[in-house]
Amino acid sequence: QVQLQESGPGLVQPSETLSLTCAVSGDSISGYYWSWIRQPAGKGLEWIGRIYVPGRTNYNPSLESRVSMSADTSTNELTLNLRSVTAADTAIYYCARVHLDTSGYYSDWGQGTLVTVSS
Amino acid sequence: SYELTQPSSVSVSPGQTARITCSGDVLAKRYVWWFQHKPGQAPVLVIYKDFERPSGIPERFSGSSSGTTVTLTISGAQVEDEADYYCYSATDNKFYVFGTGTKVTVL
Repeated sequence: QVQLQESGPGLVQPSETLSLTCAVSGDSISGYYWSWIRQPAGKGLEWIGRIYVPGRTNYNPSLESRVSMSADTSTNELTLNLRSVTAADTAIYYCARVHLDTSGYYSDWGQGTLVTVSS
Repeated sequence: SYELTQPSSVSVSPGQTARITCSGDVLAKRYVWWFQHKPGQAPVLVIYKDFERPSGIPERFSGSSSGTTVTLTISGAQVEDEADYYCYSATDNKFYVFGTGTKVTVL
């Protein structure tokens, strides 16, 4: 069974860079799409972007100028960086494998990590 | 337009049928996934490719599609089905979007 665990600072200063890691166990990250999704308090889910390991990325146009994603196959980890954060970036951040191919469907999610942007 | 519009809330009594719609131009040519999201938990996939049900998901969950609107139906809703439900689909430009979300109340 695949497990995903997000980690990173729970508090980020405004204008700084939010950096989160997603550790994946139970399967290789190679050959799948891995997404980052967030949910501000009281609001809906927002797709941030995805990475196809080894490295193809797609980002939400509303965040594209500030976001980058990467993957490390040696550690089986994914990374999200979001630059120049504001209070509007305060949210629970999830990493997830939401993927469909000829082998079938995949929907595996981490439990999410709360990131607060505040001075 | 890349928006997926859902009703903000749906309320049914236990045993009744709950229908949640998701509307958007892209849905005429893109598959929809449906996620159930309960507070403090990770979202759970309940339907993929418009109407396919993942293993372990009760048969009371079903999906259908017509043009630019897709529908998640919970036939004989149970109290444990209370949650927020989101549709999810790709756009033409290789990014994805969630619907606005529907709060389902069963009481």
